[in-house]
Amino acid sequence: RKEVEQDPGPFNVPEGATVAFNCTYSNSASQSFFWYRQDCRKEPKLLMSVYSSGNEDGRFTAQLNRASQYISLLIRDSKLSDSATYLCVVNWGGTASKLTFGTGTRLQVTL
Amino acid sequence: DGGITQSPKYLFRKEGQNVTLSCEQNLNHDAMYWYRQDPGQGLRLIYYSQIVNDFQKGDIAEGYSVSREKKESFPLTVTSAQKNPTAFYLCASRATTGGITEAFFGQGTRLTVV
Repeated sequence: RKEVEQDPGPFNVPEGATVAFNCTYSNSASQSFFWYRQDCRKEPKLLMSVYSSGNEDGRFTAQLNRASQYISLLIRDSKLSDSATYLCVVNWGGTASKLTFGTGTRLQVTL
Repeated sequence: DGGITQSPKYLFRKEGQNVTLSCEQNLNHDAMYWYRQDPGQGLRLIYYSQIVNDFQKGDIAEGYSVSREKKESFPLTVTSAQKNPTAFYLCASRATTGGITEAFFGQGTRLTVV
């Protein structure tokens, strides 16, 4: 089983739609979780950290389910500019340890 | 402005040559990372360093080497032992204090073997 798994997609949705991605992780000792966004041929950039209580930033909501070992990202009112690959990132062993990336979920928002 | 800088942006290498990719950060971060990304794939960890003069192998360290002589710098050498080096290489840094901290990435180096 991979340490971090994501559905690669692509998810093709119309503008204005709501879309959700899940990411599962294998290590129950995982401590920190993040969603990154990566545009084509660019470096990943932080979209949001994922907190135990869940957190929201505008149209984006992140949730953590430790019992089932997954995190989720919900995007409401999708925009064309949301088209990108969304990477799930997991860290265990404290702040100084390695970060493990999922393979990413590709989102394409269309008119 | 604080940030993380990779150079060069594009690099061409002949088979059998070693090449070194530069990564410099002025964010005062202790931890630094090197990842490789192949087309349509996720990021795979090559090496990481938590502190000066110390580094650990990641998942795909064979054919690569690193050094961490200064806090600001974490160069990656792609040796001739790396059989398939053509890829997009990403360097990242991260603070190790202050709770949950995210990684910041450089703009990447595209290495092509010719």
